[in-house]
Amino acid sequence: DSGVTQTPKHLITATGQRVTLRCSPRSGDLSVYWYQQSLDQGLQFLIQYYNGEERAKGNILERFSAQQFPDLHSELNLSSLELGDSALYFCASSVGTGRTPLHFGNGTRLTVT
Amino acid sequence: ILNVEQSPQSLHVQEGDSTNFTCSFPSSNFYALHWYRWETAKSPEALFVMTLNGDEKKKGRISATLNTKEGYSYLYIKGSQPEDSATYLCASDTGRRALTFGSGTRLQVQP
Repeated sequence: DSGVTQTPKHLITATGQRVTLRCSPRSGDLSVYWYQQSLDQGLQFLIQYYNGEERAKGNILERFSAQQFPDLHSELNLSSLELGDSALYFCASSVGTGRTPLHFGNGTRLTVT
Repeated sequence: ILNVEQSPQSLHVQEGDSTNFTCSFPSSNFYALHWYRWETAKSPEALFVMTLNGDEKKKGRISATLNTKEGYSYLYIKGSQPEDSATYLCASDTGRRALTFGSGTRLQVQP
């Protein structure tokens, strides 16, 4: 158990809809990362927060947004969903912002129909 | 090298064989190199974080070496066991943004 909690585990929704994925980091970790794994693709970095502030942005679509709250949990909002957004979304946390291992949650499997 | 590249993509070995894979990463702006093991239906789990040129880390039968000047790292598994079957990911850490992961090497160990 990595100590990182993601909810929900599975999500099935229709095109055009909006969903929110939730992540609680490991106790003591200040950094939260969101990664996307689409079919036959590796882990693609979306966005990183450190202690409530956005720290780095990857290939995150404008339809996607995220935030990290004062209690350090984070939410990833996906809107105007398309079939291609179907993927496994991982949240990871770490103590710092570099040279520290990432601890991954079990992921949220999103299926857009 | 601009991206993180791993080879081979997949590997099938027999139980008891020793094996190794390669991770190539950009040597400029190097801060750290991470290795993760990702078992099917689970989430990636950290193996090593390597920071120094010439560094060598070991965890049981798994070890890794690092060459920051030429931008590569090797992961070795001695005496592979079926439970070592997983995808092994490396990731480049520049200290300025989140990790950039390679596509992984999928290892299958046959009993």
